[in-house]
Amino acid sequence: EVRLVESGGVLVQPGTSLRLSCVGSDFTFDDYAMHWVRQVPGKGLEWVSGINWNSGTIDYADSVKGRFTISRDNAKNALYLEMNSLRVEDTALYYCAKDRVPSLWYVFDHWGQGTPVTVSS
Amino acid sequence: IVLTQSPGTLSLSPGERATLSCRASQSVSRNYLAWYQQTPGQAPRLLIYGASNRATGLPDRFSGSGSGTDFTLTISSLEPEDFAVYFCQHHAGSPTFGGGTKVEIK
Repeated sequence: EVRLVESGGVLVQPGTSLRLSCVGSDFTFDDYAMHWVRQVPGKGLEWVSGINWNSGTIDYADSVKGRFTISRDNAKNALYLEMNSLRVEDTALYYCAKDRVPSLWYVFDHWGQGTPVTVSS
Repeated sequence: IVLTQSPGTLSLSPGERATLSCRASQSVSRNYLAWYQQTPGQAPRLLIYGASNRATGLPDRFSGSGSGTDFTLTISSLEPEDFAVYFCQHHAGSPTFGGGTKVEIK
């Protein structure tokens, strides 16, 4: 069964940086695009960023463009999200999600359980 | 693309039919519209993609339909585990999600 485990979420102050990680198992990691999706508890979902199988195509939501950087290390089955200049409105539960195909198709067929990020002074 | 889901809450009994609507602010290219189910404390679960394609292992009581700007998720006969929040999402480029429909027990 596909497994995705996120880590790195903590309480930070506005303007600081944070790196989230996601490790995948029980599937061929480098056969699929991967994404980050966030959710404010009790609220809706917001796609954050996606990366194709070989890091050749990367996409960001306008709300994070220029501040967040997505990357992956296929040798480690790992996905990362480098988050800079954090804002209060970035507070959310961050999910790692697997795409159905190697390219960015934005169909999220498996999700991790999420890692919470809180940005507050 | 802005996705508007209705109703906000649907109160039904087990065994009843549920019809959920998702309307897009502009036509969704290639009908690239997905549906997800989320139960409390859990991550979303993919149900439907491409408007009508079922995810692997999805019971056939779930079906998706629609095209252009109007899409529907139908649950033919509600089981206890189907009471949850449902989100639609377009996957034709940088995706957006609808605000969700909560299906609650009447």
